[in-house]
Amino acid sequence: GDSVTQMEGPVTLSEEAFLTINCTYTATGYPSLFWYVQYPGEGLQLLLKATKADDKGSNKGFEATYRKETTSFHLEKGSVQVSDSAVYFCALKTNMNRDDKIIFGKGTRLHILP
Amino acid sequence: GAVVSQHPSRVICKSGTSVKIECRSLDFQATTMFWYRQFPKQSLMLMATSNEGSKATYEQGVEKDKFLINHASLTLSTLTVTSAHPEDSSFYICSAKGQGYGYTFGSGTRLTVV
Repeated sequence: GDSVTQMEGPVTLSEEAFLTINCTYTATGYPSLFWYVQYPGEGLQLLLKATKADDKGSNKGFEATYRKETTSFHLEKGSVQVSDSAVYFCALKTNMNRDDKIIFGKGTRLHILP
Repeated sequence: GAVVSQHPSRVICKSGTSVKIECRSLDFQATTMFWYRQFPKQSLMLMATSNEGSKATYEQGVEKDKFLINHASLTLSTLTVTSAHPEDSSFYICSAKGQGYGYTFGSGTRLTVV
């Protein structure tokens, strides 16, 4: 079945460091891909998305490119801030019917040190 | 933007009692509601999908008599954990989808059964 695999955390970086969180997926058809962020004590927020191959999603300095050839959607940010500390979830949604489900990876906890 | 209000945010209950969790879409009509469960350091696992006015569709392995889902209106869905036990302790989160609106998540409910 469809699945999402993302790097395990926690990931600890210093402020202004470069961030990469790897994500690969397995899916039939042509899924949409997402990154969600969960700040401490809060629910999930959509961070960015891409709906077709070679699309690049971006938001708040974060970027991810939909790579069909490598079935990947790695999250990157050039210079992280303490406020980026959160749990990041890679996810996919199949596009086959109106009750499409979102399938999540296990999440990667990110700690940014000042 | 779209907002989903989920209550309570935290609840502690005694083993054997039932707990109801509510999710309301505040400014859109949620034609479909998804309920997820998140174990510590694990991903969000989809429990069930409900369409307004219809019976919920449960994922494999989820006990429908234990996790009662009601989606009686386009703005309200409830999840009732019946005869709760400590192993039901988890983080429960809803997601609503409506026409013209993507998946919007509630802020989650931390259930602790003692």
